[in-house]
Amino acid sequence: EPEVTQTPSHQVTQMGQEVILRCVPISNHLYFYWYRQILGQKVEFLVSFYNNEISEKSEIFDDQFSVERPDGSNFTLKIRSTKLEDSAMYFCASSDVFGEAFFGQGTRLTVV
Amino acid sequence: AQSVTQLGSHVSVSEGALVLLRCNYSSSVPPYLFWYVQYPNQGLQLLLKYTSAATLVKGINGFEAEFKKSETSFHLTKPSAHMSDAAEYFCAVSDQGGKLIFGQGTELSVKP
Repeated sequence: EPEVTQTPSHQVTQMGQEVILRCVPISNHLYFYWYRQILGQKVEFLVSFYNNEISEKSEIFDDQFSVERPDGSNFTLKIRSTKLEDSAMYFCASSDVFGEAFFGQGTRLTVV
Repeated sequence: AQSVTQLGSHVSVSEGALVLLRCNYSSSVPPYLFWYVQYPNQGLQLLLKYTSAATLVKGINGFEAEFKKSETSFHLTKPSAHMSDAAEYFCAVSDQGGKLIFGQGTELSVKP
């Protein structure tokens, strides 16, 4: 069964450093997403990506964040100058035209 | 704007009892509605979805949900709880295929 793969599963970084979270979406999907879940809180939409460009982004997704599809398989989320409050579980998801999103297992980001 | 409200952050049932997790939504367009389950330290797994076809939707693991437009509800039920159903459940709404807006989540506990 096809699945969304995220690496690493856990990332610890020092405040102020840059991190790149990686995702391999399901191969025939066209829409890609990043979501964030701060511990104990709900899952929040960050950004959606279609046809090699951002289609929608939330208020959370400010200049500190960027996304990229560097090749035909990977989808990355870059967080510059990390802050303590960026600590969260980050989920990548992909969907086909019918809208059912498949989620990866998540990357737990800890900023110390 | 779309939103989701899950009534009850924590629900506890006995094994074999009925499970009822409540979800109400707000949407200015005909919604797509989803229930996701999250087991500890894992990603989000789709339980079921409503996409404007049958109002009673059957999902995996014996769960089902009924879309009631008049009540703007999409409650999740299971006739008989199993210990393995203990998890966090999230209701979500999307505007027919785009980003997902999640509720706060309901933690389900199952007592032996």
